[in-house]
Amino acid sequence: GAVVSQHPSRVICKSGTSVKIECRSLDFQATTMFWYRQFPKKSLMLMATSNEGSKATYEQGVEKDKFLINHASLTLSTLTVTSAHPEDSSFYICSARPIRQEHGYTFGSGTRLTVV
Amino acid sequence: AQSVTQLDSHVSVSEGTPVLLRCNYSSSYSPSLFWYVQHPNKGLQLLLKYTSAATLVKGINGFEAEFKKSETSFHLTKPSAHMSDAAEYFCVVSRGYQKVTFGTGTKLQVIP
Repeated sequence: GAVVSQHPSRVICKSGTSVKIECRSLDFQATTMFWYRQFPKKSLMLMATSNEGSKATYEQGVEKDKFLINHASLTLSTLTVTSAHPEDSSFYICSARPIRQEHGYTFGSGTRLTVV
Repeated sequence: AQSVTQLDSHVSVSEGTPVLLRCNYSSSYSPSLFWYVQHPNKGLQLLLKYTSAATLVKGINGFEAEFKKSETSFHLTKPSAHMSDAAEYFCVVSRGYQKVTFGTGTKLQVIP
């Protein structure tokens, strides 16, 4: 149980375009989802906390207008990288916190974004 | 406030020998602690977690970790390394189910 599906796993886009990444909890409901970014040879950096039905909470230094987060239902959160630039190329991972807390955090498989 | 320190960025072991990945944490409350593994270009997989039950926690793939409050440590061990264990390992601390703090990771190399 407690599976998180993240899609797409890889995406290549042109500079200036927008890319949407989906994070779905498949067999549980998640009131809170988290979006992380992983730089090469670095640990994961929390970008934002996505709460179902309300605005996301962004970490310091993360541009809200660039990284749009929507958590419209208890099973889906989306991250849209707007007007992507090569420096946005990275590995993005989501995680979900189930309503039933004994499941613990579950992570998606990640999305490798390459902006050319 | 909470923090986590992984003492080694790289660990290299021979196949069949023990694995020790070190993690120290800092927390002003009773933390939840986790170890995750990440294989190249893959997502994170939970190995094990400590949530104030037994101090010796057994996880998947033969890994285990011991919570030592007096040493503020949560080291990950495995008696015998396998080639498939080569990956990056992250120690994670959280307060209940609030946002987590990741360590900087330890890359495990297994030599045949």
